[in-house]
Parts: sequence; C-alpha cells; structure tokens
Amino acid sequence: GENVEQHPSTLSVQEGDSAVIKCTYSDSASNYFPWYKQELGKGPQLIIDIRSNVGEKKDQRIAVTLNKTAKHFSLHITETQPEDSAVYFCAASSHGGSQGNLIFGKGTKLSVKP
Amino acid sequence: ETGVTQTPRHLVMGMTNKKSLKCEQHLGHNAMYWYKQSAKKPLELMFVYNFKEQTENNSVPSRFSPECPNSSHLFLHLHTLQPEDSALYLCASSQGQRGGGDTQYFGPGTRLTVL
Repeated sequence: GENVEQHPSTLSVQEGDSAVIKCTYSDSASNYFPWYKQELGKGPQLIIDIRSNVGEKKDQRIAVTLNKTAKHFSLHITETQPEDSAVYFCAASSHGGSQGNLIFGKGTKLSVKP
Repeated sequence: ETGVTQTPRHLVMGMTNKKSLKCEQHLGHNAMYWYKQSAKKPLELMFVYNFKEQTENNSVPSRFSPECPNSSHLFLHLHTLQPEDSALYLCASSQGQRGGGDTQYFGPGTRLTVL
C-alpha cells in the first residue's frame, strides 16, 4: 500500500521568510496530492492540491510542486506571516479501496516568529 | 467553516460507558469518513461510507461501530473503550468520486478522553 513520508517534523522561520515542506510517496499510481493546514482546536483545512498531470500549482503565497519521477512533492509558503503557524499535512491518494483513499504524512509543525 | 459539523466537541467517558459521536455534512456529498488522530501519528483512516455503503474498515476494533443512516449523517458508536483510544476523532466528507482524487473536507473533530 501507499506510504507517505513528510519532513521536517518541525520548522521555525522568521516572519517574511519562506518555508518549504517536503513529502515522498511510494505508490507510483497515486494521482492526487492535497495539503492540509490544521490550527489548534480545529480540523484539517485543505489549502492547496495538485494532480499528477500538473508539475506545479500556485495560489497567492502558497505553491506546490510535484516530481512524479522521484515521487516527491513539496509545499512552498513565501512571505510567511504569524497566522501561517499551524501543523501542515501532506497526503497522497492511494488506489486501494473503491475510491482512492488518502494516506497522510505525519505532519510538520510550522512556527513563524514575528 | 467547512460545512462539516461534529458533536460533541469534547467527550470524557469511562471504559464501561457507551457513547456516540455524530457528524453531519451540508455539502451534498456522497462519501463520509471517520479518522483517528493521535499525538505524533499520521491521521488514521477508520471507516469509509460511499453512498451509505461501508467500503472500508481498516482493521478497527469492534468496540468502534459506525452507522451511516443517510448521505448527510455519520455516527461512531463507542463502547468499552480503552485509555489508548483517547484521541481526536475527525469526520470528513467528499463527493464520492471513484478512482482517486476525491477532495475531502474535515469537521472540527471530537476530542475523546477515556478514563
């Protein structure tokens, strides 16, 4: 089955700097890669996703890149702000089951210092 | 607000109690999920319902019993739990698209503590 590794587990940056979180996956058939942000006391919220027919996707300060050959994808946050502080999860769509369930990484705790 | 609500938000129960967690989605989705989130562990998929049919049961102990009466509601019935079952239980919903790539939207979770 699918296995997703996420690094780093914690990341601390100064406000205004960039943050990069990386994930690798094992199942070459996976075709959907969402990123979620989870703030304290809340459920994970989808912030951006990418499908395997695209190499890069950008939404304002957030971008995701996908390298299918190497089986890794990354989240890039530019001009970080204190409100970006949260735990970020990557996921990959496994083809097990009837509809391709998500397999999640262990999460990265991002701290943005003002 | 994602359109997925969960009640209660917090629950403390003894090992001999029976309780239920409730999830409701207002997104017109056809698939609903239960996840368990423990400290320092990845999100663990527990159950999946697609068009009210259970399609996944990831080796979850029988002390957890799901129920999906319709596409908008999902329950998780709990009985004789263990302290290690203490965790955040998250509900999610999606369109129910087959073949992968189905975006899931999460509720705020129920923080469960088993004494």
